Amino acid sequence: GEDVEQSLFLSVREGDSSVINCTYTDSSSTYLYWYKQEPGAGLQLLTYIFSNMDMKQDQRLTVLLNKKDKHLSLRIADTQTGDSAIYFCAEKGYGQNFVFGPGTRLSVLP
Amino acid sequence: DTGVSQDPRHKITKRGQNVTFRCDPISEHNRLYWYRQTLGQGPEFLTYFQNEAQLEKSRLLSDRFSAERPKGSFSTLEIQRTEQGDSAMYLCASILGLAGDNSYNEQFFGPGTRLTVL
Repeated sequence: GEDVEQSLFLSVREGDSSVINCTYTDSSSTYLYWYKQEPGAGLQLLTYIFSNMDMKQDQRLTVLLNKKDKHLSLRIADTQTGDSAIYFCAEKGYGQNFVFGPGTRLSVLP
Repeated sequence: DTGVSQDPRHKITKRGQNVTFRCDPISEHNRLYWYRQTLGQGPEFLTYFQNEAQLEKSRLLSDRFSAERPKGSFSTLEIQRTEQGDSAMYLCASILGLAGDNSYNEQFFGPGTRLTVL
């Protein structure tokens, strides 16, 4: 079945870059997503990438996709304390079902 | 605020009781999803509706769970005879579904209903 994995924790210093990694198993995934969840809030879409792309940049966010290795990463440049949250990787295949990873808790140290 | 609302935000109940949650999606969104999220995990898909039709249900959705979207607008999720293992955050999300399965679909999530079963 479909499975998405992420490392659970990441700590960085304010101003440094953060890189959050994700691996997935469904080779038919059409879109891959990064969501952010702050305490007590629902999930907020940060960015997405179509499976025929290998990179997407959106302001401080850079998404890299290695389809051969089924590896997705999210780089946050100049990480700020407001970026502290849980980041979820998710995939969508040809159906309408979205599969989420367990989330990576990003802590930004001053 | 994403425009998706859920009610109640918190529910505490005793084991064996029935509970019902409501989700109000963004008004023009035709697809509505229910997810369950437990501590330290990502959202797990439960079911989804295309307008009023329930098109897919996860194996996680036992017979004690039922969801409806009677007029293709708001949706309810009912859990009968609650068990302690049902304690979780129940999330609703809505999408304006474009034609074709290969469309980009941005899900808008509600804040969730946190269920605690004592």
